[in-house]
Amino acid sequence: DGGITQSPKYLFRKEGQNVTLSCEQNLNHDAMYWYRQDPGQGLRLIYYSQIVNDFQKGDIAEGYSVSREKKESFPLTVTSAQKNPTAFYLCASSTTGTGNNQPQHFGDGTRLSIL
Amino acid sequence: AQKITQTQPGMFVQEKEAVTLDCTYDTSDPSYGLFWYKQPSSGEMIFLIYQGSYDQQNATEGRYSLNFQKARKSANLVISASQLGDSAMYFCAMRRTGGFKTIFGAGTRLFVKA
Repeated sequence: DGGITQSPKYLFRKEGQNVTLSCEQNLNHDAMYWYRQDPGQGLRLIYYSQIVNDFQKGDIAEGYSVSREKKESFPLTVTSAQKNPTAFYLCASSTTGTGNNQPQHFGDGTRLSIL
Repeated sequence: AQKITQTQPGMFVQEKEAVTLDCTYDTSDPSYGLFWYKQPSSGEMIFLIYQGSYDQQNATEGRYSLNFQKARKSANLVISASQLGDSAMYFCAMRRTGGFKTIFGAGTRLFVKA
């Protein structure tokens, strides 16, 4: 079955540590996204990528970094510069193209906490 | 700028009854899509239904229907015959046609009572 796999499901970060969240998709989608969700709130866009080797900052990119070396993979690194990283992180993918109005497909999320 | 407003933080509905979740939006784009997603307590986001801004008819998917009133910029989700498994967070979202950024509302938590 096609889908998006995020790992790990739970992640703990120590002060001053960088951590990387994995996101892999086998849907052959060009576009991939990272969102942050805080308790009781909607999703906020961190980064997105329309195509391999290209990505753009979203609304809350500070303290995060990404790479897109393969179409299937879009890992997110939460750096030590992100002072409040505790949140639920969701990865998504979608098709692209003029006139496209296809929904995004989401992974099951990673819950990140500070130790 | 685009904006999605969901004014109901929480809603209660009796099992087997219908419920309407409100969503209003603001955009200057002439062509856009509206989406509803369900998020159970486990966290994954499940796509429910889509409405295009130029679609003449309201979208329906099984027990879900979208009450689209373009002039009022509203896209309310109607769930008929509620089930206990419908208890979840529901998010309204919008994206400009051909665009990449999807804007999400703050969500409505639905509780279905037995």
